[in-house]
Amino acid sequence: DAGVTQSPTHLIKTRGQHVTLRCSPISGHKSVSWYQQVLGQGPQFIFQYYEKEERGRGNFPDRFSARQFPNYSSELNVNALLLGDSALYLCASSLYREAFFGQGTRLTVV
Amino acid sequence: AQSVSQHNHHVILSEAASLELGCNYSYGGTVNLFWYVQYPGQHLQLLLKYFSGDPLVKGIKGFEAEFIKSKFSFNLRKPSVQWSDTAEYFCAVNARGGGFKTIFGAGTRLFVKA
Repeated sequence: DAGVTQSPTHLIKTRGQHVTLRCSPISGHKSVSWYQQVLGQGPQFIFQYYEKEERGRGNFPDRFSARQFPNYSSELNVNALLLGDSALYLCASSLYREAFFGQGTRLTVV
Repeated sequence: AQSVSQHNHHVILSEAASLELGCNYSYGGTVNLFWYVQYPGQHLQLLLKYFSGDPLVKGIKGFEAEFIKSKFSFNLRKPSVQWSDTAEYFCAVNARGGGFKTIFGAGTRLFVKA
């Protein structure tokens, strides 16, 4: 069984650039959530999408946006990157109450 | 607002010692509770979960956790740790009816000495 897959696994961007992170959920899962994990901290909730609609948003600036496609995959977009956006970005898919996490995308902003 | 507090940021134990990691949450309604583990270089994995019923839940690799509603706690335990349990442990909660927004604690780094 394929788990949650995220791409790319690593990337380096320059301040001010834009980045798009991608996530494919487990087959049959209709909900996707995005989290930011800064070194030494727990994952922080960014967005949750269910059936292509935003169902929840964490305390992140408008530079962060996301969308979910008809096949339930999702993209997280971050504009005008700041050094502080450097983190591991996690995607989780859910069928009901339990979240299954991907390996994450390690974003480094220089 | 929901919050999760993990009492110990770093724990060092010798093999065969007993483990208890504290977790308290702040939320007045009905919650679902989780413990996740993150081994070095690996992704978050679910250790155990509590939705309802018996407040003592057993997970993988000999871990268990007890939900004490009156104390808003969900502490993780293992009678005898192994070197391979070295990892970071996260307590998490989501609210019933609140979708899948899961709030995580800051994590506890466990190091088990061989």
